[in-house]
Amino acid sequence: SQTIHQWPATLVQPVGSPLSLECTVEGTSNPNLYWYRQAAGRGLQLLFYSVGIGQISSEVPQNLSASRPQDRQFILSSKKLLLSDSGFYLCAWSGLSNEQFFGPGTRLTVL
Amino acid sequence: KQEVTQIPAALSVPEGENLVLNCSFTDSAIYNLQWFRQDPGKGLTSLLLIQSSQREQTSGRLNASLDKSSGRSTLYIAASQPGDSATYLCAVSGSGGSNYKLTFGKGTLLTVNP
Repeated sequence: SQTIHQWPATLVQPVGSPLSLECTVEGTSNPNLYWYRQAAGRGLQLLFYSVGIGQISSEVPQNLSASRPQDRQFILSSKKLLLSDSGFYLCAWSGLSNEQFFGPGTRLTVL
Repeated sequence: KQEVTQIPAALSVPEGENLVLNCSFTDSAIYNLQWFRQDPGKGLTSLLLIQSSQREQTSGRLNASLDKSSGRSTLYIAASQPGDSATYLCAVSGSGGSNYKLTFGKGTLLTVNP
């Protein structure tokens, strides 16, 4: 069966510090991968989407970036965090059915 | 631009009651519709996926219907239990080249009281 992992589970970072969140998927090949952000009181917002290694589509302009160095690994990064980057970050994957499956999430607090 | 609305925003029911959660979307040109459950501080759990050509899907006590032409979906929960308490999210994916992109509603917070 397929599983999706995210780490860390929680993170507290000062403004201006770098960020690296990691997501890995097991039990499937060539998945589509997604990064979402869920801010307090708002719906989920798609940040990045990837159909393959090195292929990244950005949905929202911001100071975040994403990379996919391996087939089942998706990384969300920032060089300098802003207060507005605080939120709950969710990674997801989908296969041929287009059904999306989500990871446990990372709670990021920028102080 | 696709917009997804979920009504009600919150719902509190006694255990054992059957209930219906509503989802509406503005653009009927969707690829599929997905219902999720989210527990506090957790990720999303996929409950049901309905392809645009389907009218309904069932899983256990859950039944989701889709009326694409009117832009509506309902999630029916039979014989509700306290363990069903969570936020339920509806999401639709676009057609054509944007079928990967899910647009989410803001959810319905369900509380089932013992």
